[in-house]
Parts: sequence; structure tokens; C-alpha cells
Amino acid sequence: QVQLQESGPGLVKPSGTLSLTCVVSGGSIRSNDWWNWVRQPPGKGLEWIGEISHSGSTNYNPSLRSRVTISIDKSKNHFSLKMSSLTTADTAVYYCARGRGKYDEWGQGTLVTVSS
Amino acid sequence: EIVMAQSPATLSVSPGERVTLSCRASQSVSSNLAWYQQKPGQAPRLLMFGASARATGTPARFSGSGSGTEFTLTISSLQSEDFAVYYCQQYHNWPPFTFGGGTKVEIK
Repeated sequence: QVQLQESGPGLVKPSGTLSLTCVVSGGSIRSNDWWNWVRQPPGKGLEWIGEISHSGSTNYNPSLRSRVTISIDKSKNHFSLKMSSLTTADTAVYYCARGRGKYDEWGQGTLVTVSS
Repeated sequence: EIVMAQSPATLSVSPGERVTLSCRASQSVSSNLAWYQQKPGQAPRLLMFGASARATGTPARFSGSGSGTEFTLTISSLQSEDFAVYYCQQYHNWPPFTFGGGTKVEIK
């Protein structure tokens, strides 16, 4: 059974860059799947950030595209998120998830707080 | 961008009751709609996809219907473990994939 686990700093300064990694275990990231980042501000709903395929093709939410990069490292069986120019509005739980549009496996989520 | 709207925002129900949650899309998403359940402190869990297909492990008391712009998630007899927030999501047109704002099902 595939499991996903996010990791990264829990506190980032305004105007800084968020870097998160999602490690995939119990399966290969080389499989014909898409790998996603989704976020959820405290007490609010879900927002899709972007996706990457096993071959490195990406799609991003147009509202975030200018600030987001998703990459994949097949040798380490993980994929990553970088988001720049952070503001307090980017404070959220960040999830990684597997699937193309419908997500059947999720990480537990990691809270990222943007604060000075 | 396709906007997803869910109603009501909150539903107060008693265990054993039948529950109907609604989701509306700003334009047709065909049957490319998923439902998720999220409990406090947990990641969302996929319940339904293709508007009416149960995901692995979804109990039979959950059913989904609809196509185009109007969708419904029904819980035939609410169990204690079903109190949660439910989100719909379209995967017909992207980017972006978009979620509804959620419906919280709480104990009456």
C-alpha cells in the first residue's frame, strides 16, 4: 500500500520560500501516476496547488503559478514543492496526494506558518 | 475556472437519519466529480469518484448521483463515524482542479 509523508520547515518568514518534500513509500513514484500538492488554510477549505507526472510534466493552479515549482526525484522516490514570495495568506496545512484529479492516497499533512 | 458550490454549509443531524448533501458546478463537469470526507486533524479521504462510484473502502450507505452541474451525496443512515466535513471536487477542466467550500455534518 502506497504511503505519502510530507516533510519540511514548519515556520517560514514573510517574503521567504517554502520548501516541502513528499516521500512515497510502498510503491514507486515511477508508476503511471500523478503527484499533487493541496493546501488548506486553518479552518478553511481545500486548494489545489499543482501536479507532476512520473515523467516530470507539470500543471499549476494559475493563481499560484508564478510562485510555485514542483519537481520529482525518481532516484529518491520523492517529489517536492517550492513556493516563493510567501505572505501570511500562505499559512496552511500542505498535503501531498496521489492521483489525476481524484486523490486516493494522501499524506498526513504538514502545517506551514508564515510569520516573522 | 470552474467554481464549485456546496450547500448547506452546515447540517445538524441525528444518528440514523438520512442525509443529502448538494454540490453545484458553475459549468458542466460531466460526471468528473469526486467527494471527500475529512475529519478533524486528518487528511481528506476519497469517498466517491465518477459522481457515483464508491472508492475502495467506502461503505454502501454512501451513494452519489448527478451529472453536468448538479450533484448529490447521500448517506442512507448516518453513523457516528460519519460526522465530518464533506468536499466535492471537479476534475473535468483543469488547471485548476477545484473544490467546493465543504459541508459540515454535525451532531444535532
